[in-house]
Amino acid sequence: NAGVTQTPKFQVLKTGQSMTLQCAQDMNHNSMYWYRQDPGMGLRLIYYSASEGTTDKGEVPNGYNVSRLNKREFSLRLESAAPSQTSVYFCAVPPGTGVYEQYFGPGTRLTVT
Amino acid sequence: EDKVVQSPLSLVVHEGDTVTLNCSYEVTNFRSLLWYKQEKKAPTFLFMLTSSGIEKKSGRLSSILDKKELFSILNITATQTGDSAVYLCAVPHSGGSNYKLTFGKGTLLTVNP
Repeated sequence: NAGVTQTPKFQVLKTGQSMTLQCAQDMNHNSMYWYRQDPGMGLRLIYYSASEGTTDKGEVPNGYNVSRLNKREFSLRLESAAPSQTSVYFCAVPPGTGVYEQYFGPGTRLTVT
Repeated sequence: EDKVVQSPLSLVVHEGDTVTLNCSYEVTNFRSLLWYKQEKKAPTFLFMLTSSGIEKKSGRLSSILDKKELFSILNITATQTGDSAVYLCAVPHSGGSNYKLTFGKGTLLTVNP
């Protein structure tokens, strides 16, 4: 988890509320990724960013928006939370350019009631 | 679409047992296969395999790749309770200049004393 931080660690929302999950890295890398993890489902890619100012959809982007305003930070926004978005959210960053592995932040556990 | 299938989905053993976890994949333009360990927090990187038949080893953990039969195994010998975790395998695929990861659903390993 070194170099990747996420806030908040836990959050409870009511259906329809909005919130932003924050991810920051000090690894000075261009690429950043957002995943969600549900029981028995592994990790699924929501959105990723190849560089500052660019974002692309992953496997499960519906209901989410992202923003990459600078190289260090990549935020994930839920505009109108739904119970189906109850999950653990991880941000990830590769340790270098052209490498395959990714380092994961500590995660945000989100519950939508 | 890239596909990663892990088996078994869960496994319960006693301390001292040896376990073998399986990961099969279908991916266009194979580059590598990665193994992660996830305890009650973020996944941590274990191994990356790119060449068939070359074993990667770290202490009691070892892994090998078979590119002809499209699978990898992760072996853990003399298991300890601290090996209890979800083990994930993933394959990278290109998204422009970046590598997105497709994960399997994971194998939940429980090691009882």
